[in-house]
Amino acid sequence: KQEVTQIPAALSVPEGENLVLNCSFTDSAIYNLQWFRQDPGKGLTSLLLIQSSQREQTSGRLNASLDKSSGRSTLYIAASQPGDSATYLCAVVNTDKLIFGTGTRLQVFP
Amino acid sequence: NAGVMQNPRHLVRRRGQEARLRCSPMKGHSHVYWYRQLPEEGLKFMVYLQKENIIDESGMPKERFSAEFPKEGPSILRIQQVVRGDSAAYFCASSAQADYGYTFGSGTRLTVV
Repeated sequence: KQEVTQIPAALSVPEGENLVLNCSFTDSAIYNLQWFRQDPGKGLTSLLLIQSSQREQTSGRLNASLDKSSGRSTLYIAASQPGDSATYLCAVVNTDKLIFGTGTRLQVFP
Repeated sequence: NAGVMQNPRHLVRRRGQEARLRCSPMKGHSHVYWYRQLPEEGLKFMVYLQKENIIDESGMPKERFSAEFPKEGPSILRIQQVVRGDSAAYFCASSAQADYGYTFGSGTRLTVV
């Protein structure tokens, strides 16, 4: 059974710091991995999608890497801003569905 | 492109009533997924549907919950005889292909009083 874990569970940093959020999964037979952002009381916004054959994806200040063999992904956020404050969710596709991690709650203060 | 549309955004039901949650997938998407997020918990898979077919319902509670995705119209998640423990946010996602690129709706927040 696929299990997805994210560390840290919560993170509070001053504006401007570079951040690394970690995601690990127990079954490396995934089709792809997707990072999402969720603001309080809101839906999910897709940030990056990495297919199983890819190593990384970049969008603006975000960079996500994937190491299937070790069951790990990292989300790198450069020059963090208060507007980045949200919960970040990692999810892997196993067979026919997304399996979500527990999330990292990020707070960036001015 | 309006994205994945869910309604209602908020739903209040008394214990024992029925709740119906609707989801219209993105244009061109024929795969629909329902997830539940309990307060302070992660998102849990409930069911995966294609038009007129349930593909995977391994996450659905055995009783009171059902889902459909008819040939015409939105996907419906139906909860009969709601209980307080059903209070949660219910999210719908759609994709153009199985296993690839999910887009989520804004969710329906169900409160059972």
